[in-house]
Amino acid sequence: GGIITQTPKFLIGQEGQKLTLKCQQNFNHDTMYWYRQDSGKGLRLIYYSITENDLQKGDLSEGYDASREKKSSFSLTVTSAQKNEMAVFLCASSIGTANTEVFFGKGTRLTVV
Amino acid sequence: AQSVTQPDARVTVSEGASLQLRCKYSYSATPYLFWYVQYPRQGLQLLLKYYSGDPVVQGVNSFEAEFSKSNSSFHLQKASVHWSDSAVYFCALSSGGNYKPTFGKGTSLVVHP
Repeated sequence: GGIITQTPKFLIGQEGQKLTLKCQQNFNHDTMYWYRQDSGKGLRLIYYSITENDLQKGDLSEGYDASREKKSSFSLTVTSAQKNEMAVFLCASSIGTANTEVFFGKGTRLTVV
Repeated sequence: AQSVTQPDARVTVSEGASLQLRCKYSYSATPYLFWYVQYPRQGLQLLLKYYSGDPVVQGVNSFEAEFSKSNSSFHLQKASVHWSDSAVYFCALSSGGNYKPTFGKGTSLVVHP
């Protein structure tokens, strides 16, 4: 088995601040994802990457940047944190074929004050 | 375009009762369908998946789901729930050649002891 590690677990930022979330996986998966989870809105895809150095925009990419430095890591940057924003950011990975499951990390909880 | 609808945001049942969580999908062909569970402060974990064949699939922890092409549905069922089943349940859809699984908004299950 493998694991997806997200750091930090909790992130408190100030309005306008640039914040970076990190994700590491040891499944040796090609595809990685960043999702935002808000109460009542389910999971919304921010960015995904089908291989090292690849980046694809999801449905919610505005206000975010991402970077896939190597196969095992995928980072997400909030370019300008919005006041009173609260959300959970989930990193995930998969082999990348449609019939395989997606594995998730435990999330980073963001609060902007 | 593909979509997943979970019509019930919250379901409350008593321990020992039977359970059905509803999922409807929209996709032109037969999709790959999944149910995931999210326990508090955790990432999502796979419960079961359907690709083809027998429309009733078995999953972990005595959960099962039934695929219906005519109704475009993939409902999750359990004969007798336990308080530890309290969690958020997500239905998801993948299609061939598409790296982006589509998730429903989730159903929060509350099991009263």
